[in-house]
Amino acid sequence: AQKVTQAQTEISVVEKEDVTLDCVYETRDTTYYLFWYKQPPSGELVFLIRRNSFDEQNEISGRYSWNFQKSTSSFNFTITASQVVDSAVYFCALSEASKAAGNKLTFGGGTRVLVKP
Amino acid sequence: DAEITQSPRHKITETGRQVTLACHQTWNHNNMFWYRQDLGHGLRLIHYSYGVQDTNKGEVSDGYSVSRSNTEDLPLTLESAASSQTSVYFCASSGGGRETQYFGPGTRLLVL
Repeated sequence: AQKVTQAQTEISVVEKEDVTLDCVYETRDTTYYLFWYKQPPSGELVFLIRRNSFDEQNEISGRYSWNFQKSTSSFNFTITASQVVDSAVYFCALSEASKAAGNKLTFGGGTRVLVKP
Repeated sequence: DAEITQSPRHKITETGRQVTLACHQTWNHNNMFWYRQDLGHGLRLIHYSYGVQDTNKGEVSDGYSVSRSNTEDLPLTLESAASSQTSVYFCASSGGGRETQYFGPGTRLLVL
């Protein structure tokens, strides 16, 4: 069975500090997808990024970057120069890639990020 | 613009009543999903559908049912509401087996 663990339940930083969110996953599949979603105080779930298991290239998109390491089953997410608007709960999620499995998501418990001015 | 909507956004009901939460998407997506969000559990899959007339149980399906009579809608029914079903419910959809899921705004349900 799949499992996603976000060990950090809450992180508090001061504006402009960098924030790194940890995500560790378990799966028996060799091909899978990893996601990060953001849930601001308004409650909606916003898709941020997606990574395929066969592509370990790490990327940067604006103030967001991610570090995917298959060897350690980790998919960490960093917000550079945090802003108050980054205050939210962030969820890491995993989906299998097989056609039979569709793309059911398994979520971690979430990490609440509080950015103070 | 295409979107995914949920109604009602807030609902209060009593134990034992039947409740139906609506989910409607205009992306023409084949895959639709229902999740519930509880403190400390993240989001957990209740039911999902890969197309019309197809429904499948997820991780926490007891006490819930869904039906898929068209592509756009996947209503979630609580057959006999229980206080343990007080939660925030999210509907999601995706275009295919490997596509990203996009979520509706959520329905906050309180069972008294």
